[in-house]
This record gives sequence, C-alpha cells and structure tokens, in this order.
Amino acid sequence: AQSVTQLDSQVPVFEEAPVELRCNYSSSVSVYLFWYVQYPNQGLQLLLKYLSGSTLVKSINGFEAEFNKSQTSFHLRKPSVHISDTAEYFCAVSEWRGGGSEKLVFGKGTKLTVNP
Amino acid sequence: NAGVTQTPKFQVLKTGQSMTLQCAQDMNHEYMSWYRQDPGMGLRLIHYSVGAGITDQGEVPNGYNVSRSTTEDFPLRLLSAAPSQTSVYFCASSTLFTGELFFGEGSRLTVL
Repeated sequence: AQSVTQLDSQVPVFEEAPVELRCNYSSSVSVYLFWYVQYPNQGLQLLLKYLSGSTLVKSINGFEAEFNKSQTSFHLRKPSVHISDTAEYFCAVSEWRGGGSEKLVFGKGTKLTVNP
Repeated sequence: NAGVTQTPKFQVLKTGQSMTLQCAQDMNHEYMSWYRQDPGMGLRLIHYSVGAGITDQGEVPNGYNVSRSTTEDFPLRLLSAAPSQTSVYFCASSTLFTGELFFGEGSRLTVL
C-alpha cells in the first residue's frame, strides 16, 4: 500500500522569501501525485498534480513541484511567497492500477505561515 | 454546479447516539470517499466506493458504516458515537482515471 511522508509539520517564512515543502512517498507501482491546499476553515483544493509526462508541474499561483522517481519525492516550491499563501498543504499519492486509480492517501500536512 | 454537498455542517452528539452524515455529488463521479481530519494527523481515509453497490474500507473504518445505492449519494453512518469520533469529516469524489478529488466543505462533529 502507498504512503506519504511530509517531513515538516510547520514552515514559517518571511514574505517574498522562497519556500520548499518536502514530500516523499512509498509505493511499489506507478503513482499519481498531488498537492492540495487548505485555507483556514475551508475544505481542500487541488493545487497541482502529476499524472504523466513532464516531471515538473506548475500551478496558476506560482507554485511548482517536481516528480523525482529515483528519490520518490514530490517537493513543492515557490520562489517568492505572499501573505495569502498562508495555509496548510497536503501531499497525496494514488496508485495507478491499470484501469484507474483508487484510494488517495494523504500526508499529515505542512502548515506554511508567511510573516510580513 | 453544486459539486460535492455535505450535510450537516455542524453536529453535536452524546456518546452512544447514532447519526448519518450525508454526501451528494452532481458530477457523475464513480469514486466517492470519506475522510476524517484531526490535528497533526492529516486526512485519514474511512471508507470509499468505486461505484454504486461497491464499498471498501480505508485506514480507519471502525465505528463507521457506508452504503452506495446510487452514483450520487454516499452517506456515512455512526452507529454508536464515541468521543474519539470527534473530528472534521470530508466527503470527496472523483473520476476513477485520475484520482483527483473534489472535496465538500466538511462536517464538524463533536461527541460529548
């Protein structure tokens, strides 16, 4: 069964600084990888996803993540963060099983706090 | 489009009471699932379904029942609530192909 490890539970940064949120996964088969974001008192929203093709994927608000198969990682990065990026970020993995994928498994989350 | 709709948004129960959290989606998604979110624990999968009439257990199924009689609905039942079931519950759905989940707004349950 797949599993996800988010190495940092909390990441405080200053506005306009770069940030990296780390995610490692474990699986014996091909995977799909996701980053979800949860703003305070809201549900989760998809930030970006890797299904196939280019290993570097980007979101519309400046985040990017790179799928590294050899290191089983999918770290999330942003070169310059904004106060509005303050949220909790969840990495998730879904195993590809031929006809489709099931069971999206989440990491425990990383709380990103952007300070002025 | 309403997307994924969960009711109720808030509920307080006494230990031993039963209740059902409702979840409905209007996107014709095959896959539906229930997660619970607890501080420091992330989201943990309770039960999931890949189509009408098919359900399976996730990581933390004990104390919860589900059924899937239609594509649209996936209710979660607590038969005898316990304080350990105090949590925020999220319903989510997707097509089977991508695993990209669409979440409801959550239901906050407190068991006294």
